[in-house]
Amino acid sequence: DQQVKQNSPSLSVQEGRISILNCDYTNSMFDYFLWYKKYPAEGPTFLISISSIKDKNEDGRFTVFLNKSAKHLSLHIVPSQPGDSAVYFCAASASAGNNRKLIWGLGTSLAVNP
Amino acid sequence: DAGVTQSPTHLIKTRGQQVTLRCSPKSGHDTVSWYQQALGQGPQFIFQYYEEEERQRGNFPDRFSGHQFPNYSSELNVNALLLGDSALYLCASSLSTGIGVQHFGDGTRLSIL
Repeated sequence: DQQVKQNSPSLSVQEGRISILNCDYTNSMFDYFLWYKKYPAEGPTFLISISSIKDKNEDGRFTVFLNKSAKHLSLHIVPSQPGDSAVYFCAASASAGNNRKLIWGLGTSLAVNP
Repeated sequence: DAGVTQSPTHLIKTRGQQVTLRCSPKSGHDTVSWYQQALGQGPQFIFQYYEEEERQRGNFPDRFSGHQFPNYSSELNVNALLLGDSALYLCASSLSTGIGVQHFGDGTRLSIL
């Protein structure tokens, strides 16, 4: 039972254009969402997060949008750069006091072509 | 400011053996979580340690156990290794207060022959 779904295994984008990575979730108890980027042979690196009380969070070239009614979030990268080529994971958590475990999607491999 | 460090980087074991993986959290963090990432999959939550106690556990058998030390570092132990235990094992640290974004080490690649 995949509670966090990234339905696109891969995405290819031209340098300078927008990259849009999508994520859907099924558990309405999730109240915090994160995006991580992972290069080969490295651990995931935190990119950006959003609380369920917001619908948008922006950090430089990265913006995350949350649509709670649709249980959908997306990560926009503008403009895309070759160095953005990596696997992007969507993760979600539900608060249980201060205990939080992350539930992860399968990832989307982004290739930004020069 | 040292980030999360894991050792060893790679490990090869045979079925039935036991293994211990180690993790030092990011400076200032008090919570350690362990994840298993199989090839082509997202990380799967194993368990989380805080104040030297396991406070959450994922759907993993008792062969997987852990420990957290007073300095917040942590160990993951796996007994009676199976071929299916071959994976990348990731350690993440976070601060127990607030949202607690998890920061990851580069992982230990465990191969079972």
